[in-house]
Amino acid sequence: GAVVSQHPSWVICKSGTSVKIECRSLDFQATTMFWYRQFPKQSLMLMATSNEGSKATYEQGVEKDKFLINHASLTLSTLTVTSAHPEDSSFYICSARDAGLVTDTQYFGPGTRLTVL
Amino acid sequence: QKEVEQDPGPLSVPEGAIVSLNCTYSNSAFQYFMWYRQYSRKGPELLMYTYSSGNKEDGRFTAQVDKSSKYISLFIRDSQPSDSATYLCATSYRNFGNEKLTFGTGTRLTIIP
Repeated sequence: GAVVSQHPSWVICKSGTSVKIECRSLDFQATTMFWYRQFPKQSLMLMATSNEGSKATYEQGVEKDKFLINHASLTLSTLTVTSAHPEDSSFYICSARDAGLVTDTQYFGPGTRLTVL
Repeated sequence: QKEVEQDPGPLSVPEGAIVSLNCTYSNSAFQYFMWYRQYSRKGPELLMYTYSSGNKEDGRFTAQVDKSSKYISLFIRDSQPSDSATYLCATSYRNFGNEKLTFGTGTRLTIIP
């Protein structure tokens, strides 16, 4: 299957700082990437949909000025958590669309665990 | 009411047993149904997907969808300790590659050797 990577895999930061998380599709081009957040023992919640070359579409309740998404190329999307606070501590997971010939599938990255002190 | 309901477990079964995992959904507009496996601190891995009522088999895994009752199931035969993980069901309105996925809460499964 297709491979999606995320960097970093974990990060600890101080309250008020910004953190950037990268999502890369390694062996396919992804016109669409999705960003999810997962709190402990809860399911994945979609934060935003990112399309290459255009502005991201945010889900209701997600602050676009706090969670900046950039999808500058077909293999890279970044999520920047600005002025992070302890309540932003979570597991952030991206997925990338592989619009292959046979099937149109989303593949997930391994996730980034963010801890804000 | 959540759009997708899933018993969070935990569920523990002995090795070799048949495992049955289930979800219900409320929106009849959902057309695609997926099962993902997620190991601790890892991203979800797609196991099965289907878009029609009935059964779909892949090795030890069988996905079952009943659109009339809005019920989806995943069966694991000859369960192995390596199957221990959290299993997430998910749905989407259209082809799930380019669509928002709605997830259940996940069922934590432990296979006891």
